[in-house]
Amino acid sequence: NAGVMQNPRHLVRRRGQEARLRCSPMKGHSHVYWYRQLPEEGLKFMVYLQKENIIDESGMPKERFSAEFPKEGPSILRIQQVVRGDSAAYFCASSPRGAVGQPQHFGDGTRLSIL
Amino acid sequence: DQQVKQNSPSLSVQEGRISILNCDYTNSMFDYFLWYKKYPAEGPTFLISISSIKDKNEDGRFTVFLNKSAKHLSLHIVPSQPGDSAVYFCAGNTGNQFYFGTGTSLTVIP
Repeated sequence: NAGVMQNPRHLVRRRGQEARLRCSPMKGHSHVYWYRQLPEEGLKFMVYLQKENIIDESGMPKERFSAEFPKEGPSILRIQQVVRGDSAAYFCASSPRGAVGQPQHFGDGTRLSIL
Repeated sequence: DQQVKQNSPSLSVQEGRISILNCDYTNSMFDYFLWYKKYPAEGPTFLISISSIKDKNEDGRFTVFLNKSAKHLSLHIVPSQPGDSAVYFCAGNTGNQFYFGTGTSLTVIP
């Protein structure tokens, strides 16, 4: 009865490096959402994916950020050339379908720290 | 643009009393509103939701009230228990998008 699994839980990178955050949705869930939480702020929507498709990436910065959810394997949020401002908690959530009002199941997040 | 606002960063309540957490929104297109609870170092956990066509939804000790004319919703927890101490987020949902407030930290004092 595994929930949404995110790894790593903590990730430290130096400025200019790449960060890869992984998310395995709950079994049977084919819809994945990524959120970012900056200190003292709420969760900000970044991107919504179904298997092999990006449905809505309106919340994702246009540069350096990308996301994928391949047919096999976890969803990946990739941040290239990280900067200090990327330090945040990144949460992944999944749902069995994308219908309006469907509650999402969240992972415990990846805390990204940029040195 | 903060479409969902939780203006009280924190709230303290005595055990057994009622906790009332408030949330205001600006987007009249929201179809659903959801409340999540979050413990430190964990992800949010879904608590209760309400459709925009309803004005009340109840689940055990948790009741959510929606006032569309005021663009305001509230979560009532009664009776409050020490285990309810956590950060509570409200969220508005329209289409694929979920907009979260900044959270209210609830402390229930034994």
